[in-house]
Amino acid sequence: NAGVMQNPRHLVRRRGQEARLRCSPMKGHSHVYWYRQLPEEGLKFMVYLQKENIIDESGMPKERFSAEFPKEGPSILRIQQVVRGDSAAYFCASSPIQGSGQQYFGPGTRLTVT
Amino acid sequence: ILNVEQSPQSLHVQEGDSTNFTCSFPSSNFYALHWYRWETAKSPEALFVMTLNGDEKKKGRISATLNTKEGYSYLYIKGSQPEDSATYLCALPSNNAGNMLTFGGGTRLMVKP
Repeated sequence: NAGVMQNPRHLVRRRGQEARLRCSPMKGHSHVYWYRQLPEEGLKFMVYLQKENIIDESGMPKERFSAEFPKEGPSILRIQQVVRGDSAAYFCASSPIQGSGQQYFGPGTRLTVT
Repeated sequence: ILNVEQSPQSLHVQEGDSTNFTCSFPSSNFYALHWYRWETAKSPEALFVMTLNGDEKKKGRISATLNTKEGYSYLYIKGSQPEDSATYLCALPSNNAGNMLTFGGGTRLMVKP
């Protein structure tokens, strides 16, 4: 059973460009979570999605960031008009059920904004 | 906002030493506690999910205890090996839905051969 897949692993964007980060959850998992690790900081929750629904986006910046988890295909975290402060590692996790059970993490996408 | 603290921030031990570190959290509104092991450039790997006061979990040489009344969990590693070198994270969900994990800053363990 393949784990959580994220691509690309590394992404370089110039200021003002768009960044699209993809996450394929583990097989059978319908709950996806995105976390961000800024330089010198810990992992911080961004958004929780189920298929076709955003359930909790309390950790998402108010502007330029959006997330989706369509019926078919991976979850996408989209950052429009990137700025240097968006440079971070973005991690996706998935779980088979909602609740306080285990979340399984992907290897992350390291975004560098030049 | 849930405040999760881990100590120490970093730890250097010799191969064969046993070690332990702490995760502290508010004792009110406790739902669960997760321990993760995170090697550089890899995915955080789930070690334990603990839910009950007094829980003890074990996986090989690694074990963990939980005290929800006083708000702490200990992670123990017996006979540390170089391959145990990693950052150990604890995380707690902020509600019973378990959607949002709040992570501590981690304890970075380095085991010298």
